[in-house]
Amino acid sequence: GDSVTQMEGPVTLSEEAFLTINCTYTATGYPSLFWYVQYPGEGLQLLLKATKADDKGSNKGFEATYRKETTSFHLEKGSVQVSDSAVYFCALSDRRGSTLTFGKGTMLLVSP
Amino acid sequence: NAGVTQTPKFRILKIGQSMTLQCTQDMNHNYMYWYRQDPGMGLKLIYYSVGAGITDKGEVPNGYNVSRSTTEDFPLRLELAAPSQTSVYFCASRQAGGSTDTQYFGPGTRLTVL
Repeated sequence: GDSVTQMEGPVTLSEEAFLTINCTYTATGYPSLFWYVQYPGEGLQLLLKATKADDKGSNKGFEATYRKETTSFHLEKGSVQVSDSAVYFCALSDRRGSTLTFGKGTMLLVSP
Repeated sequence: NAGVTQTPKFRILKIGQSMTLQCTQDMNHNYMYWYRQDPGMGLKLIYYSVGAGITDKGEVPNGYNVSRSTTEDFPLRLELAAPSQTSVYFCASRQAGGSTDTQYFGPGTRLTVL
């Protein structure tokens, strides 16, 4: 079945550091790929998405590129802020688009 | 728009008790979902619905029941609460249209079974 693997956290960075959170997937066909973010005490919010190979999703300074050849969708940001501290989830949609499969999440902690 | 709302925010149950977690969305979305989130385990799909009157099991449906009598509401029922059901429960919705559509999440219900 479909699966998503994310790097384990927590990832601890200083403000203005470069961020990479790795995400790889296993799926049949060509799923859409998503990054969701969960701030403390809240539900998940869509951060960005990509729907086909080589697409780049971007939002709020975060980027991720859909790499079919490496089955990856790594999240990057050039300069993190304290307000980026949250848990980040990589996810893929099934072939019908009905459901999402989530990774386990990666906690990011940014210190001033 | 309120989006996706869930009640209650917190609940403590005793083993064997039953309860219903409420979920309502005001976006006229066809699809609705129930997930549970356990520490370090991501989100697991419990049940989902593609429209009123239609429900399907997800990855971890045992111990839960759902119904979808209206487009807006998708309650989750726990009949005989067990400690293994201690978790944070999230409801989500999305508009039908394909695999690229965004799911919108509620704020969650934190349930403890003692």
